[in-house]
Amino acid sequence: NAGVTQTPKFRILKIGQSMTLQCAQDMNHNYMYWYRQDPGMGLKLIYYSVGAGITDKGEVPNGYNVSRSTTEDFPLRLELAAPSQTSVYFCASSRGTGIYGYTFGSGTRLTVV
Amino acid sequence: AQSVAQPEDQVNVAEGNPLTVKCTYSVSGNPYLFWYVQYPNRGLQFLLKYITGDNLVKGSYGFEAEFNKSQTSFHLKKPSALVSDSALYFCAVSQSPYGGATNKLIFGTGTLLAVQP
Repeated sequence: NAGVTQTPKFRILKIGQSMTLQCAQDMNHNYMYWYRQDPGMGLKLIYYSVGAGITDKGEVPNGYNVSRSTTEDFPLRLELAAPSQTSVYFCASSRGTGIYGYTFGSGTRLTVV
Repeated sequence: AQSVAQPEDQVNVAEGNPLTVKCTYSVSGNPYLFWYVQYPNRGLQFLLKYITGDNLVKGSYGFEAEFNKSQTSFHLKKPSALVSDSALYFCAVSQSPYGGATNKLIFGTGTLLAVQP
C-alpha cells in the first residue's frame, strides 16, 4: 500500500516556465489537498477536491491550477513560475471529513530561479 | 474563522526529561484537534487526534495530548523525551459552523522540538 505518492521530489524551474506536480493515492480517498510549506509559515492550503470532477480554491490559489479527472490523481499545475512559488509542496488525502485526518505525501521541493 | 496558534517556534529539552509542545485554538463550535510530526525531508505523519470523549488522548511513539476546553488548548506531551523525537510538530483543527467537521484542517505554524542528549 503506497499511500500518497508525489513526483518529482525536487525540481528547479526558471521564471516563466511551467510544470505539473503529480499526486496519486491508492486508498480510494475522495478528498485530496495541495498545501505549500514555507519556513515559519506552516502549511497553506492551495486547492482541494472532494471528489472526481470537483475542485475548489484554498487560501493561496493564485498562480496554480488543479484538475481531478479520477479519484486517484490530483495534479497541481504551475503555469508561469515565479520566485514566490519557491516552496515545499505537499499533497494529502482523506477518507472523508476532517475527523479522519490526512495522509500526506513526502513532498516536492520546488525552487524557481 | 477557525485558527490554531503554536506560540513557541522551538522547544529545547534534555533527553529523559518531560516535554510539552503548546497549541491553542479558536473555533466557534466543537473542535476536532490533531497533532502531526514532520521529520527532516519527509511528509507529515499523524500522531494523535481528539474528536470527543476522554480529554487525554494517547497516540504514537508514547505521545499524548490533553484537550482543555476552558483554556482552548491541546498541548502535546511526553513523559520522557528521546533524541529521536527531534522534529517539527504541527497542531491542526477542523470545525464547521454547524458543529460538525469540515473536510479541511487548519494548521499551526509548527514547533521545532530539539532534544539534547
